[in-house]
Amino acid sequence: KAGVTQTPRYLIKTRGQQVTLSCSPISGHRSVSWYQQTPGQGLQFLFEYFSETQRNKGNFPGRFSGRQFSNSRSEMNVSTLELGDSALYLCASSIRGGHTDTQYFGPGTRLTVL
Amino acid sequence: GNSVTQMEGPVTLSEEAFLTINCTYTATGYPSLFWYVQYPGEGLQLLLKATKADDKGSNKGFEATYRKETTSFHLEKGSVQVSDSAVYFCALTEANQAGTALIFGKGTTLSVSS
Repeated sequence: KAGVTQTPRYLIKTRGQQVTLSCSPISGHRSVSWYQQTPGQGLQFLFEYFSETQRNKGNFPGRFSGRQFSNSRSEMNVSTLELGDSALYLCASSIRGGHTDTQYFGPGTRLTVL
Repeated sequence: GNSVTQMEGPVTLSEEAFLTINCTYTATGYPSLFWYVQYPGEGLQLLLKATKADDKGSNKGFEATYRKETTSFHLEKGSVQVSDSAVYFCALTEANQAGTALIFGKGTTLSVSS
């Protein structure tokens, strides 16, 4: 079974631009979560989608948004980029998103904001 | 709120040494507990998990026991190898949330030399 895939793997943007990242979950997985990883703040939860609905949201500004499609693929968007948005963005999928479920992570998208 | 505290390291060991990475948690309900590992340039991989008190998770020689009385989930391995060099993250998910969010510790860098 193919793992979680994320595209693109690397991205360079300038301040003020917007960016869209894509995530394809493991086949059969209906829950997709997004995390931001930075050296200073570590791994932080952004949001979780299940059956095209945002079910849980972390403490990030409204510039960060996401969506999920009927095939469970998900995208996240960051508008008006700031230097501090430079990070590794990780997507994870699980079967149902239950608290005992294992979340399987993709390789991440490395975003650099100049 | 929920949180995870783990020793940040770096932890430097010689091959075949015994490894312990301490992890304690704060949670209001009944969390599931996880250890993830991240190799350079990669996403996170599940190492092991435990979903209820006194459960022991194990994988690839690593073990951790869910101790509710001490709110701990310490990672151990009897004999480390150079290939175990990586960053290790302790994490929890809360049972009473509407959705699922992994809450991570800051990560512990392990370096094993031959």
